[in-house]
Amino acid sequence: GQQLNQSPQSMFIQEGEDVSMNCTSSSIFNTWLWYKQEPGEGPVLLIALYKAGELTSNGRLTAQFGITRKDSFLNISASIPSDVGIYFCAGLLERGTGTASKLTFGTGTRLQVTL
Amino acid sequence: NAGVTQTPKFRVLKTGQSMTLLCAQDMNHEYMYWYRQDPGMGLRLIHYSVGEGTTAKGEVPDGYNVSRLKKQNFLLGLESAAPSQTSVYFCASSYSRGSYNQPQHFGDGTRLSIL
Repeated sequence: GQQLNQSPQSMFIQEGEDVSMNCTSSSIFNTWLWYKQEPGEGPVLLIALYKAGELTSNGRLTAQFGITRKDSFLNISASIPSDVGIYFCAGLLERGTGTASKLTFGTGTRLQVTL
Repeated sequence: NAGVTQTPKFRVLKTGQSMTLLCAQDMNHEYMYWYRQDPGMGLRLIHYSVGEGTTAKGEVPDGYNVSRLKKQNFLLGLESAAPSQTSVYFCASSYSRGSYNQPQHFGDGTRLSIL
């Protein structure tokens, strides 16, 4: 099955630094989602993007839906220790009532923040 | 708010044993999903359901069966467990609303080991 190419695989940064990660696909998507997963928990939705070119923020997080509809990026500004976790992108092609949202997930970016 | 609840949280099985994982959601979501998560990989869809009484195959359905007898519950069954099914299993649910598929909400996972 298809999986999205997500990079980097892991990042070690200092508190206060900005973080950038991206996701690319060979196929187009109509929706891009970014999730964060902490140890022992399920993924939690951070940002949802529904339109090509859309730029959406959620606090210190900003994500963009690429114009080509084949990529997306997530930025975290002024990182803090609680940002530690694995960040997953997910793409969705189908859209419409009655169509289940079968997501394709990226392989994840593991973020470590040091003091 | 409970959201998506998975039981059990941990389980160890012997090869050939059977078991059922239970997912319950209290958000009145129409759609429910079962994923598996393996090291270094994103989540892969096993089966999903677009409503009570309906199920469909996802990306990796072999060796699993599902049932959706009630809207709030989605059961994942392993008839004859194999070591390759050692994984973390996540359940998710989402609304069907308008022209946009709503993001999925995840449970905290079931860690399953097959010896």
